Amino acid sequence: ERVMTQSPATLSVFPGERATLSCRASEDVSSNLAWYQHAPGQAPRLLIYGTTNRATGVPARFSGSGFGTEFTLTISSLQSEDSGFYYCQQYNNWPRTFGQGTKVEIK
Amino acid sequence: QVQLLESGPKLVEPSGTLSLTCVVSGGSFSSSDWWSWVRQAPGKGPEWIGEIYHEGNTNYNPSFNSRVTISLDKSKNQFYLSLSSVTAADTAMYYCTKDPFGDYTEHWGRGTLVTVSS
Repeated sequence: ERVMTQSPATLSVFPGERATLSCRASEDVSSNLAWYQHAPGQAPRLLIYGTTNRATGVPARFSGSGFGTEFTLTISSLQSEDSGFYYCQQYNNWPRTFGQGTKVEIK
Repeated sequence: QVQLLESGPKLVEPSGTLSLTCVVSGGSFSSSDWWSWVRQAPGKGPEWIGEIYHEGNTNYNPSFNSRVTISLDKSKNQFYLSLSSVTAADTAMYYCTKDPFGDYTEHWGRGTLVTVSS
């Protein structure tokens, strides 16, 4: 199965600053990569699918990039409500697999 | 807007069977969607367990061997997870999800925490 590795484990950013999260696949997953946000006590939320496509209702400050094995989620101007865990997931190969997550903290 | 709600016992004894129900509201099974179960053990990333299509086709994560069964009842708008021979390693938050075309997950339930312990 494809192993997804996320970095960093924890990211502390001031409000208004840029946050950059990385996700690496053990083998090529093409552009079949999604990102999810998980705030404490809430259901996880789809942010990005197909590497670059924002899900319905997701603010424009969230953007995704990459292809193959290297992917990035960028939050252009961090807001207080963006704190939580972020997970990448590949769905190019079966079984679908997730990364271990990046925790985003607001300084 | 589709909503999913997981329910079931929160404590299961070792070697027993974990059984969960997902109630789907605001949507139906008659579409191109797949309906999945995902779990997340404490301190770890999510793990996809398996999926079911409205026609009853299923796919399971091989890491669960033959311990898992997913089924559905379209008349009740519910689908189910059964995981047998559980151990402490199966302690996790369990989520039911809706996945367009069996790809990424579009909708998640809030999850239910299941603890395996005697």
